[in-house]
Amino acid sequence: EAGVTQFPSHSVIEKGQTVTLRCDPISGHDNLYWYRRVMGKEIKFLLHFVKESKQDESGMPNNRFLAERTGGTYSTLKVQPAELEDSGVYFCASSQRNLGDTQYFGPGTRLTVL
Amino acid sequence: AQSVSQHNHHVILSEAASLELGCNYSYGGTVNLFWYVQYPGQHLQLLLKYFSGDPLVKGIKGFEAEFIKSKFSFNLRKPSVQWSDTAEYFCAVSPSGTYKYIFGTGTRLKVLA
Repeated sequence: EAGVTQFPSHSVIEKGQTVTLRCDPISGHDNLYWYRRVMGKEIKFLLHFVKESKQDESGMPNNRFLAERTGGTYSTLKVQPAELEDSGVYFCASSQRNLGDTQYFGPGTRLTVL
Repeated sequence: AQSVSQHNHHVILSEAASLELGCNYSYGGTVNLFWYVQYPGQHLQLLLKYFSGDPLVKGIKGFEAEFIKSKFSFNLRKPSVQWSDTAEYFCAVSPSGTYKYIFGTGTRLKVLA
């Protein structure tokens, strides 16, 4: 079974530019999550999709972040315009249908904003 | 606000030493508890989880954790570490009825051969 994949693995952009991160969950997983880890700090929840619907976006830092999950399959997280404090590792995770199902994490995308 | 504390940020042990990593959380209600591990260059993967029942939980690779409700703790233990246990370990909490995880800051474990 293929795991959660994320693209790109690394991205270096200048402040003010736009970046789009992609996540492909495990096939058949209804739940998809985005998390972020700023260097030296904890992994923080950003948002949760159930299929194509946003279930909880309480962790989204501000309106420069836009997440979508087209057709309930892959998801994108766009940062526009990027700021220095957006640097960090962005993790995607997915889980099956039920509350309590294990979340499987992707390798993360390391974003550096210069 | 809900939070998770991992007291040790860096731990260095020799092979065969015993390991205990602390995890405390602040949340008054029922929680589900997790330990994840990230080996160098790899994904975060689940070591073990506690939802209910026996508070002593056994996970993969010889790890175990004990939930002590009165202390809001979920410490991770392994009686004898190996060089291959070198990794970063994350404690996470999910308030009952929610999907999101609240993570601690992680503990980097280095095991010397």
